[in-house]
Amino acid sequence: AQSVTQLDSQVPVFEEAPVELRCNYSSSVSVYLFWYVQYPNQGLQLLLKYLSGSTLVKGINGFEAEFNKSQTSFHLRKPSVHISDTAEYFCAVEGGSNYKLTFGKGTLLTVNP
Amino acid sequence: EAGVVQSPRYKIIEKKQPVAFWCNPISGHNTLYWYLQNLGQGPELLIRYENEEAVDDSQLPKDRFSAERLKGVDSTLKIQPAELGDSAVYLCASRPLGGELFFGEGSRLTVL
Repeated sequence: AQSVTQLDSQVPVFEEAPVELRCNYSSSVSVYLFWYVQYPNQGLQLLLKYLSGSTLVKGINGFEAEFNKSQTSFHLRKPSVHISDTAEYFCAVEGGSNYKLTFGKGTLLTVNP
Repeated sequence: EAGVVQSPRYKIIEKKQPVAFWCNPISGHNTLYWYLQNLGQGPELLIRYENEEAVDDSQLPKDRFSAERLKGVDSTLKIQPAELGDSAVYLCASRPLGGELFFGEGSRLTVL
């Protein structure tokens, strides 16, 4: 079985501030990890993914995430956020190549001027 | 390239009525998923298809929900009869072999 815990349901920040959205996972097998973003009334869009190799992964819109196997974490970071980054962010885990993607409950990032 | 297309985008029905959602995945994508997303929650898997075969339907409430993927392309998700608790967004997603998941914009169901 696999699961994802997003530790913060809401994260308010000011524009141009740095942000970190936390994600912890559990799985009995090696994992693939993902972050998705969802804007209002839209589907989910892939931000970045970790499959193997370098533990620091860079994605779209200036986001990056670091895979930490010992802490079973995959936190998402951005050094300077924009108003347009306001959205719901979902962390997801896939156990090996079982093609079953399990999502966390999401973190609502609100960027204020 | 066209993305995953879902219809209808919005549907309002009264309880006990039937409803159906349609999904057209990206061309060439073998794997198709239906997810349920409740307000303020992450998507939860309902069913996964590999071509026309349902390989994981353990989370599908089979007493009222059914799905099909004829010819391994388009898919339909049906609820009959709908209950108040079925109000949610139903997301379809597809992926090619070894590739990433692409989501449609979802079908928002409101049951009155």
